[in-house]
Amino acid sequence: DIVMTQSPDSLAVSLGERATINCKSSQTLFYSPNNKNYLAWFQQKPGHPPKLLIYWASTRESGVPDRFSGSGSGTDFTLTISSLQAEDVAVYYCHHYYSAPHTFGQGTRLEIK
Amino acid sequence: EVQLLDSGGDLVQPGGSLRLSCAASGIAFSSHAMTWVRQAPGKGLEWVSGISGRGDETYYAESVKGRFTISRDNSKNRLYLQMNSLRAEDTAVYYCAKCPGSSSSDPDWYLDLWGRGTLVTVTS
Repeated sequence: DIVMTQSPDSLAVSLGERATINCKSSQTLFYSPNNKNYLAWFQQKPGHPPKLLIYWASTRESGVPDRFSGSGSGTDFTLTISSLQAEDVAVYYCHHYYSAPHTFGQGTRLEIK
Repeated sequence: EVQLLDSGGDLVQPGGSLRLSCAASGIAFSSHAMTWVRQAPGKGLEWVSGISGRGDETYYAESVKGRFTISRDNSKNRLYLQMNSLRAEDTAVYYCAKCPGSSSSDPDWYLDLWGRGTLVTVTS
């Protein structure tokens, strides 16, 4: 199974500042025949299901604010929030869908400093 | 309205069985692979099982293999998870989720629509 490891486990950032969350996979998520990385990012707020933010490592889901961006390839990926807003307080998860089982990272809790 | 409504969660004793259901509306259900994801209280997300749009491909996490069975009835727009030999560690909120893709040859297996979740509690 592919193991997904996020860092840090928790993060406190001031409003308006940049937040960066990292995700590392134990195997490559890049599939060369279609030139795609099989990596998604989710946001989860308490009492709610996860919300898809990013897929294919860097494609923003419709309706997601452009302050959210994804980058990376192969085994190392990053979710960046360019200017933190109060409503961004949540737990963030990376998730691979390269091969079953499609495992998640352990989550990163993002708070306001 | 496009939505997934998961149901069937309950309190069950260890060793017992339960069947979860997920009703889809507003989507071409048979065109989409579907997935179950669970979340133990206060813990992270765990991918449990996935099934192709036609139901001919199924996948399981090692933690549930041989105990859980995923299935679907495309005529009823419903997804199921039959859970047998339940253990305390299966206690979680179970979410159904939809994939844009339909099979292993269609790689869009990210999760773009989620149900609200249904709580399964395994305790004596």
